[in-house]
Amino acid sequence: DPKIIQKPKYLVAVTGSEKILICEQYLGHNAMYWYRQSAKKPLEFMFSYSYQKLMDNQTASSRFQPQSSKKNHLDLQITALKPDDSATYFCASSHVQGNSDYTFGSGTRLLVI
Amino acid sequence: GEKVEQHESTLSVREGDSAVINCTYTDTASSYFPWYKQEAGKSLHFVIDIRSNVDRKQSQRLIVLLDKKAKRFSLHITATQPEDSAIYFCAASRGNNRIFFGDGTQLVVKP
Repeated sequence: DPKIIQKPKYLVAVTGSEKILICEQYLGHNAMYWYRQSAKKPLEFMFSYSYQKLMDNQTASSRFQPQSSKKNHLDLQITALKPDDSATYFCASSHVQGNSDYTFGSGTRLLVI
Repeated sequence: GEKVEQHESTLSVREGDSAVINCTYTDTASSYFPWYKQEAGKSLHFVIDIRSNVDRKQSQRLIVLLDKKAKRFSLHITATQPEDSAIYFCAASRGNNRIFFGDGTQLVVKP
């Protein structure tokens, strides 16, 4: 059974629209993260949360908003989508931030047309 | 902040040979160094890590070496097999902040 669930697996969106990427982990981890992978950047850090609090944000645009309704959830809302947002978005989690290995979800492949 | 560099963007070896992937880091306070593997079209998964209290760690065919003075660490894969072909990411962390990843090394194991 997958320990980190990302939904949907694939997503096609129209430019200017808004989408939410879902991430749930069932590992009992306290830290969660979002990364983006595209042809331009191999693995780009976006956000980190620890105990549902935002710890680090390296995303320049406010169009990307993480949402943590529960300790084991970290969704990613993206507004005013642009073709440049096309990428695979990976969610990850770890027991504690920085001192233990990450478990990655299978990713959401987003295509903005 | 921390900057992790992987020196080889691609590496090609013959099956059965050893492969070495080298990384450097900038933050002298980094103490945790994990490695991740990403097979084509798949997500990343953890393969091995090393902490700064040791300079060598082995798990089956994987060996990680850490040189704290040079701020350098490396992944050695011995007796490579075709299934070792993947992108390998090195990473570093102080232990109290997030993990910083390198840009990945594409390893190709030729039969």
